[in-house]
Amino acid sequence: KQEVTQIPAALSVPEGENLVLNCSFTDSAIYNLQWFRQDPGKGLTSLLLIQSSQREQTSGRLNASLDKSSGRSTLYIAASQPGDSATYLCAPGDGGSQGNLIFGKGTKLSVKP
Amino acid sequence: DVKVTQSSRYLVKRTGEKVFLECVQDMDHENMFWYRQDPGLGLRLIYFSYDVKMKEKGDIPEGYSVSREKKERFSLILESASTNQTSMYLCASRGQGPSTDTQYFGPGTRLTVL
Repeated sequence: KQEVTQIPAALSVPEGENLVLNCSFTDSAIYNLQWFRQDPGKGLTSLLLIQSSQREQTSGRLNASLDKSSGRSTLYIAASQPGDSATYLCAPGDGGSQGNLIFGKGTKLSVKP
Repeated sequence: DVKVTQSSRYLVKRTGEKVFLECVQDMDHENMFWYRQDPGLGLRLIYFSYDVKMKEKGDIPEGYSVSREKKERFSLILESASTNQTSMYLCASRGQGPSTDTQYFGPGTRLTVL
């Protein structure tokens, strides 16, 4: 059964820093991997989707990479801002269950002004 | 702009009541999902549907049922609500391509069962 781990569980950085969030998964048979952002008490907002055949995707200050064979993905946030404060969730689309997403528990990011 | 809406943001019910949570998407998506989210446990899949009138159990279906009579609407039913079903409920939808299609979430319903 696919297991997803996100490290660190929480992170606090000063504004302007570049940072990396890590995600690892146990089964490399995935369709894709999505990164989401969740603000307190709200739903999830999709940030990036990387297909299994891709190595990375970029959107603005965000860059996500995928190394399927080693079961790892990273989300790089450049020049962090207080508005980036949220919980970030990683979710591979599981190859064994019709592409259904399996979620990690997230990394809670706090960016201090 | 893609949209997944949920019928209520906050709901308070009593133990034993029948509870309906409704989700509507306007993207003509085939796949729809219901999750619950609890502190320390993350998101867990309750039920999903890949077509009208079709449903599949997720990881934690006990105590829940679902209905999908129309493509755009997916309902979660708690037949007899219990206090351990107090949680944040999230609906999501996705197109047909498991590799290429982004999954979109609704704003969530915070359900409290007293």
